[in-house]
Amino acid sequence: EVRLVESGGGLVQPGGSLRLSCAASGFTFEGYAMNWVRQVPGKGLEWVSGFAWVSGSLRTGYAGSLKGRFTISRDDATNSLYLQMTSLRIEDTALYFCVKDLSGKGLGPFNIWGQGAMVSVSS
Amino acid sequence: EIVLTQSPGTLSLPPGERATLSCRASRNINSDYLAWYQQKAGQAPRLVIYATSSRAAGIPDRFSGSGSGTDFTLTISRLEPEDIAVYFCHLSGDSPPHTFGQGTNLEIK
Repeated sequence: EVRLVESGGGLVQPGGSLRLSCAASGFTFEGYAMNWVRQVPGKGLEWVSGFAWVSGSLRTGYAGSLKGRFTISRDDATNSLYLQMTSLRIEDTALYFCVKDLSGKGLGPFNIWGQGAMVSVSS
Repeated sequence: EIVLTQSPGTLSLPPGERATLSCRASRNINSDYLAWYQQKAGQAPRLVIYATSSRAAGIPDRFSGSGSGTDFTLTISRLEPEDIAVYFCHLSGDSPPHTFGQGTNLEIK
């Protein structure tokens, strides 16, 4: 069974940092395109960041609104995906989903979603 | 950046009826990269349709997708109470960012 389990969410003050982790299992994680998508409770979905194969290399991409504050990374040895979030703002408050690309190439869609990690930014 | 606009915002229909949900792109898109997700209350989204008309694993055949260019449709042929959810369309592809529609809330009367 393919599973994605997020951790690392919590309450942080504006300007603070947080690192989300996603533990993947049930598929060959090495080299597989993965993403982070967030959702303000009761609102829509917003793609945050992800890996995609471009010209033979696994590249990273980010939503323009993040302006360099977030960094996606991975450890294929431990089947883990990470999202380092810095300079957090109140508007970053959301449920953050780790999501698996259907084909593994990074072209979407997203066929497996974790249950999400809640990030709350508040003073 | 392409914008996806879904309509209606809320759709309320009795069981057994046909539901038609719309997703309109701000310009022509590659239909290979248009997908639909179902999100039930308190759950993560679930892939329903990908590449405009392909059903994802485990999705009943009462769900179908169609469209091209800028206009795409998710159809549920015979509504069942378990279909209550918010449905999102999604444009992926090789040029980030991935884009989602704002969602259609499907209610059963």
